[in-house]
Amino acid sequence: QKEVEQNSGPLSVPEGAIASLNCTYSDRGSQSFFWYRQYSGKSPELIMFIYSNGDKEDGRFTAQLNKASQYVSLLIRDSQPSDSATYLCAGGTSYGKLTFGQGTILTVHP
Amino acid sequence: NAGVTQTPKFRILKIGQSMTLQCAQDMNHNYMYWYRQDPGMGLKLIYYSVGAGITDKGEVPNGYNVSRSTTEDFPLRLELAAPSQTSVYFCASRAAGLGVEAFFGQGTRLTVV
Repeated sequence: QKEVEQNSGPLSVPEGAIASLNCTYSDRGSQSFFWYRQYSGKSPELIMFIYSNGDKEDGRFTAQLNKASQYVSLLIRDSQPSDSATYLCAGGTSYGKLTFGQGTILTVHP
Repeated sequence: NAGVTQTPKFRILKIGQSMTLQCAQDMNHNYMYWYRQDPGMGLKLIYYSVGAGITDKGEVPNGYNVSRSTTEDFPLRLELAAPSQTSVYFCASRAAGLGVEAFFGQGTRLTVV
């Protein structure tokens, strides 16, 4: 079964720190990877996507992809209490189908 | 711009009842999806569609049916509801292409008792 595994949580970091979220995938056919943020009781919202090896930065967020190691990560710099949410890693396959990990709960405490 | 609209937002069903979850998008996206999310878990794909008249099964299709008669609408039918179908259901749509964002509806919280 094609799976996406996220590092076990929950993760708690102090305000201003770097939060590191990790994800591994088993399907080498996955071409793109997505990080979604989900607040409690809400729908997922896209933070970033990446499909090339290396780093991709957008503001306080950096996504990293290593296809050889089948590893995806998300770094959140200068973490804020408003970043507290569940973060979902997803691999994209044919026809835009997404395979989600189980999510990592992040809490940023003041 | 409404995006992806799901109705209803909440529903309680009795075991054995049937219902249809509605999903509509106004972005002219060809690709549409139904996912379910159980408590503390990620989303799992139930069914998807790549255009009007074309649907296919995802990872967890048992107990569900879909149809896609128009580009805009993608209803999900639950027949003979079971407690195992208690979940939050999300509809999503996206355009074709690599690394394209999928837009999610607000979800339908379904409880089967």
